Amino acid sequence: AQKITQTQPGMFVQEKEAVTLDCTYDTSDPSYGLFWYKQPSSGEMIFLIYQGSYDQQNATEGRYSLNFQKARKSANLVISASQLGDSAMYFCAMREGDQAGTALIFGKGTTLSVSS
Amino acid sequence: DSGVTQTPKHLITATGQRVTLRCSPRSGDLSVYWYQQSLDQGLQFLIQYYNGEERAKGNILERFSAQQFPDLHSELNLSSLELGDSALYFCASSKRETHNEQFFGPGTRLTVL
Repeated sequence: AQKITQTQPGMFVQEKEAVTLDCTYDTSDPSYGLFWYKQPSSGEMIFLIYQGSYDQQNATEGRYSLNFQKARKSANLVISASQLGDSAMYFCAMREGDQAGTALIFGKGTTLSVSS
Repeated sequence: DSGVTQTPKHLITATGQRVTLRCSPRSGDLSVYWYQQSLDQGLQFLIQYYNGEERAKGNILERFSAQQFPDLHSELNLSSLELGDSALYFCASSKRETHNEQFFGPGTRLTVL
C-alpha cells in the first residue's frame, strides 16, 4: 500500500486565488512528521512546511498552511493568494517514527499551474 | 539557497562506467541523506549517514555505495552504470539524526548513454 498518496496529478488556479493540494498518508506509528516540498522546473527541492503528529495546531508558514486532519490521515497543503511563481511540482512526504535514520517517504507529486 | 552544495550539477557518462557524486551539508548539520528521483520511481531514499556512520539504507543497489568523511561531506559512488540509473540525485542534510526539516541540495543530474 502507498504510504503517501497525492491523488491530483495536476491543478490549475488563477493568480490571487487559494488552492488546496491533497495528501493522505498511511502509518501505524503514533509518532510521525509530515512535510511539503516545492520543486520548480529548475529542479531544486524547497522545504515549505512541517507538521508533527503530536502538534495540536495546524502549521502555517506565510502563505502556506497545512490542514492536518489526523483521524482522516490527511495533510493537505493550502496556498493562499497564489502567485505565478507558485507554479511547480509539490510533494508531500512523511517521516515515520522518531528513531534514528528515518528518511522521508515521498508521494508522486502534484503539478500546480498558476495563470494570470 | 538551502546551504547544501552538490557537485557536479550535470554528469553524462556511458554504460559500465563509474561516477562519484559529492555533497557538502549545511554548516552544523551532521546527517546526510541521498535520494534518487526518476520518472518511473519518483523520489526514493537511498542511504543516510550521521557523523560519519551509516544509519539507514533504503532502495540502494549493491552497485552503489556512499561514505561520509570527517569533514562531514559525503560522496555517492555509482558503478557499472546502466541506462536506468539516469536520474536526478539529491543530497539532503539535517541537524540531528531525527529531524523536523531536511534541506536539499540542487541535485546532480546523471545521464547514462
